[in-house]
Amino acid sequence: QTVVTQEPSVTVSPGGTVTLTCASSTGPVTSDHYPNWVQQKPGQAPRSLMYSVSNRYSWTPARFSGSLLGGKAALTLSGVQPEDEADYYCLLYSGGPWVFGGGTKLTVL
Amino acid sequence: QVQLQESGPGRLKPSQTLSLTCSVSGVSTSSGDYYWTWVRQAPGRGLEWIGSIYYSGFPEYNPSLESRVSLSVDTSKNQFSLTLTSVTAADTAVYYCARSTVTTLNYWGQGTLVTVSS
Repeated sequence: QTVVTQEPSVTVSPGGTVTLTCASSTGPVTSDHYPNWVQQKPGQAPRSLMYSVSNRYSWTPARFSGSLLGGKAALTLSGVQPEDEADYYCLLYSGGPWVFGGGTKLTVL
Repeated sequence: QVQLQESGPGRLKPSQTLSLTCSVSGVSTSSGDYYWTWVRQAPGRGLEWIGSIYYSGFPEYNPSLESRVSLSVDTSKNQFSLTLTSVTAADTAVYYCARSTVTTLNYWGQGTLVTVSS
């Protein structure tokens, strides 16, 4: 089964920029994996932020952007806000099953 | 406004069968545009995709759960359901239902905690 790997934890200063990445054990992540990004704050249900690499939902702040970078899916936060502190999960389509990454804990400090 | 709400028993004993239902409002489960998905999260752990089903059937399951899991859709009640057999403590988790498409997982329920304990 495909294994999706993310950075376990990342720290960023308020107002800064940070990029989270998502790698697949089967090879480069492409648009055919339809990379999705999901945010989860402590004690809350997950909330989807991004789909198909770089498409935001109506509720996704413009400071979030998605891309493919060096064979990985990437989520970039520009002008990080304190409320962006959360766990971020990547989700990849693997030709039938979907697979979540282990998540990245983003600390804003 | 799309809303999903999970319901089911909060506690089970090992070897029992877990049955959860997701009630959907704001969209029809008979819509051909969507799949209906279950995701779970064990305490302190990450998200795990359980499976998805189209309104007319054709479920896809996580290979690690495929032998024990079954999904169904009841379009007359605008609901979809999860059945997981032979539960163990490892199945203790918050279970989320969600709406998805071919490329997205967009709307989520609030989740329901299921505890497996003797």
